[in-house]
Amino acid sequence: SQQGEEDPQALSIQEGENATMNCSYKTSINNLQWYRQNSGRGLVHLILIRSNEREKHSGRLRVTLDTSKKSSSLLITASRAADTASYFCATDGRDSNYQLIWGAGTKLIIKP
Amino acid sequence: ETGVTQTPRHLVMGMTNKKSLKCEQHLGHNAMYWYKQSAKKPLELMFVYNFKEQTENNSVPSRFSPECPNSSHLFLHLHTLQPEDSALYLCASSQPHSALQQGGATNEKLFFGSGTQLSVL
Repeated sequence: SQQGEEDPQALSIQEGENATMNCSYKTSINNLQWYRQNSGRGLVHLILIRSNEREKHSGRLRVTLDTSKKSSSLLITASRAADTASYFCATDGRDSNYQLIWGAGTKLIIKP
Repeated sequence: ETGVTQTPRHLVMGMTNKKSLKCEQHLGHNAMYWYKQSAKKPLELMFVYNFKEQTENNSVPSRFSPECPNSSHLFLHLHTLQPEDSALYLCASSQPHSALQQGGATNEKLFFGSGTQLSVL
């Protein structure tokens, strides 16, 4: 099945350091999206990267996509305590009838 | 705020109760979704409504009954739930992609509500 899988499951770093999370998927995709979720809240969209794009930036966020390896990474630079959250990737494509397929998320903890 | 409001935020119900979850979006979107989020599991898509028509029902048990009276409102009616139905229920909306016209789901970004944390006793 086409399912995003985030890696690592949990990540704990010091404030100011960079955080990198990875997402792998199994079949060809149309788009890949990253979302963030604070504890017990809804998800907030961060970035959408299309299959013909290789890199995208938004503020302190950098997303890369390698379709040959079926993987994406989310880099948060100069992390802050407020970045503590769970981060999810979601993919869509023809095989899923364009439904979003979600990973189980990476729990990121930023230590002050 | 994301423009998607869910009520109630928390709900505790017995297995014989009937309750409803409400979702309202103020974004002018035409697609609305119900997701179930259980601990340490990926989000599970339950229902999709596109222009008030249900286009997806991912094998959800009949004890969950959705209702979409208009493009801005979405309900999830609950009855005779089981303890394993305890989870965070998330509503989302989006602007439909052209793929929706063929009954598919959107690939545009979703706007989520804060969710209803449901506990079934």
